[in-house]
Amino acid sequence: GAGVSQSPRYKVAKRGQDVALRCDPISGHVSLFWYQQALGQGPEFLTYFQNEAQLDKSGLPSDRFFAERPEGSVSTLKIQRTQQEDSAVYLCASSFGIYTGELFFGEGSRLTVL
Amino acid sequence: TQLLEQSPQFLSIQEGENLTVYCNSSSVFSSLQWYRQEPGEGPVLLVTVVTGGEVKKLKRLTFQFGDARKDSSLHITAAQPGDTGLYLCAGRLNAGNMLTFGGGTRLMVKP
Repeated sequence: GAGVSQSPRYKVAKRGQDVALRCDPISGHVSLFWYQQALGQGPEFLTYFQNEAQLDKSGLPSDRFFAERPEGSVSTLKIQRTQQEDSAVYLCASSFGIYTGELFFGEGSRLTVL
Repeated sequence: TQLLEQSPQFLSIQEGENLTVYCNSSSVFSSLQWYRQEPGEGPVLLVTVVTGGEVKKLKRLTFQFGDARKDSSLHITAAQPGDTGLYLCAGRLNAGNMLTFGGGTRLMVKP
């Protein structure tokens, strides 16, 4: 596609539910990043993929968070047993290069946990 | 404490005014980027600076990277309502590191 596509745009979950957020990066982009952005704050790094390999997951806040990119294209961020503090916008970004260059962001998935 | 501190956090000005926002750190960065984010959208890259002392201009926006590569500034001349948004600086400590974002400066330009 022309840009990074994320779905769903909005998700409301009850506390304790599992959620899955999808990211479809720009075709041919090697690098894929997930960031978490709380209201009024800057994005916080969660995890990084180079093709299908998850090279850095140091930003994942707990073992309830899991990300995958099995075929080196589409990625899914899964949050198990959601908590209220998980409420945030989850941004996906892709870039052509490895570690360098411009990041192209999707519009984000806004998660609200009640 | 964030690696990149941005100031001010909020800025509300009238159309036609000039402004400067700052991005500071005690760490040295190999490169630094500025992004702008509008409500409901993802951040969009404005500029990348890599050399200490570098100055880049993008129409009414002037970006400067500090000589020691620890800080950066964004100056907007004659601000317009279309400049309204969240301005984010983001840096890499070295070529192999992730992009770390500052907390952002929320700018509102009133007509």
